[in-house]
Amino acid sequence: GESVGLHLPTLSVQEGDNSIINCAYSNSASDYFIWYKQESGKGPQFIIDIRSNMDKRQGQRVTVLLNKTVKHLSLQIAATQPGDSAVYFCADFVTGTASKLTFGTGTRLQVTL
Amino acid sequence: DSGVTQTPKHLITATGQRVTLRCSPRSGDLSVYWYQQSLDQGLQFLIQYYNGEERAKGNILERFSAQQFPDLHSELNLSSLELGDSALYFCASSVDQTTYEQYFGPGTRLTVT
Repeated sequence: GESVGLHLPTLSVQEGDNSIINCAYSNSASDYFIWYKQESGKGPQFIIDIRSNMDKRQGQRVTVLLNKTVKHLSLQIAATQPGDSAVYFCADFVTGTASKLTFGTGTRLQVTL
Repeated sequence: DSGVTQTPKHLITATGQRVTLRCSPRSGDLSVYWYQQSLDQGLQFLIQYYNGEERAKGNILERFSAQQFPDLHSELNLSSLELGDSALYFCASSVDQTTYEQYFGPGTRLTVT
């Protein structure tokens, strides 16, 4: 399939290890933060979201942490698998009439066997 | 599979030409969004339509236009194409107009030569 081809920071993780992907945001008015996964040749796929009044949310093998003080968001993937190899984007969202997602730069996760 | 379809998958055209990208939202979704993903800009919001009407505009050039038809499919028209317009163009859809829960299609890769 096609790759996104972006000049992105890359995180290499061994299969079975935990991955931590970081993201900084700038809009203090954001209500929601969302992590998307983009596999080669596909569109972004929703992974997990967190509301701005929370600091942690857990899903299946994923945890998102939000630190509003330093405007930082992280995605932790437990027991990383080869299928987790993809580009990961954080996005923020402000509730209102304009429902556009503002995406971060993205991080490429490479899982090595 | 997100349920959002986009055609064509690939498009190669020359500078100065005009192209039309097509998107069909998920069944039941009334809102359609267009995003551009280029090498140096990442994922950028272009425009949103809800039930046939324009709802929000992002970094969309004047050479670009979009519309949403009564059957809710949407078209993105790109004219006077330049080399820098080469990118992946994604369509996303959502149930209503003010949600971050957007589902992305597989994208159209546009190459301008």
